[in-house]
Amino acid sequence: LAKTTQPISMDSYEGQEVNITCSHNNIATNDYITWYQQFPSQGPRFIIQGYKTKVTNEVASLFIPADRKSSTLSLPRVSLSDTAVYYCLVGEHRDDKIIFGKGTRLHILP
Amino acid sequence: GAVVSQHPSWVICKSGTSVKIECRSLDFQATTMFWYRQFPKQSLMLMATSNEGSKATYEQGVEKDKFLINHASLTLSTLTVTSAHPEDSSFYICSAVRVPYEQYFGPGTRLTVT
Repeated sequence: LAKTTQPISMDSYEGQEVNITCSHNNIATNDYITWYQQFPSQGPRFIIQGYKTKVTNEVASLFIPADRKSSTLSLPRVSLSDTAVYYCLVGEHRDDKIIFGKGTRLHILP
Repeated sequence: GAVVSQHPSWVICKSGTSVKIECRSLDFQATTMFWYRQFPKQSLMLMATSNEGSKATYEQGVEKDKFLINHASLTLSTLTVTSAHPEDSSFYICSAVRVPYEQYFGPGTRLTVT
């Protein structure tokens, strides 16, 4: 499983766009990039998954450069309720066991 | 979307007793379920892989005799913490795999051992 590196914590303000970057230099050809969100005392929730270029859903966008050695999760116009821990994961399938890294603790300020 | 439930959501028990935590996939069948534990301010740590009809596979350092896992049906896996001690107090989270390639997490169970 490829190792990922992401900032330990980030602060932002309501209404701003937040970008969280994850490094995964050893990503394999068959690996996908997946992001999960976790609120305190809750299980992780799937946000988005991508392989290359850009993926967008109703919650976020995921930008992946051509070399795939990093990825950026973009949250548009965040609100206080987006305060959570965000995990970047790299692996071949979402049905595999997940080895979670430390994640990024995002704190949204009013 | 797929729903995974856990029961109970929180439990307090005395040291030395055993506690059973249930993980259910409510609207899909899950051949594989995973169990994680999470200490405050830390990331999730994978404990074991639970496969329906076979023995669980434990991660290195996890005591299989202490954390008993039973995956008796395609919608239910149970984790029993035997002879619990205060250091077992943690947040236990399960996930269930809906084929192909999707994994859904339960809401977690807070265990406090006094």
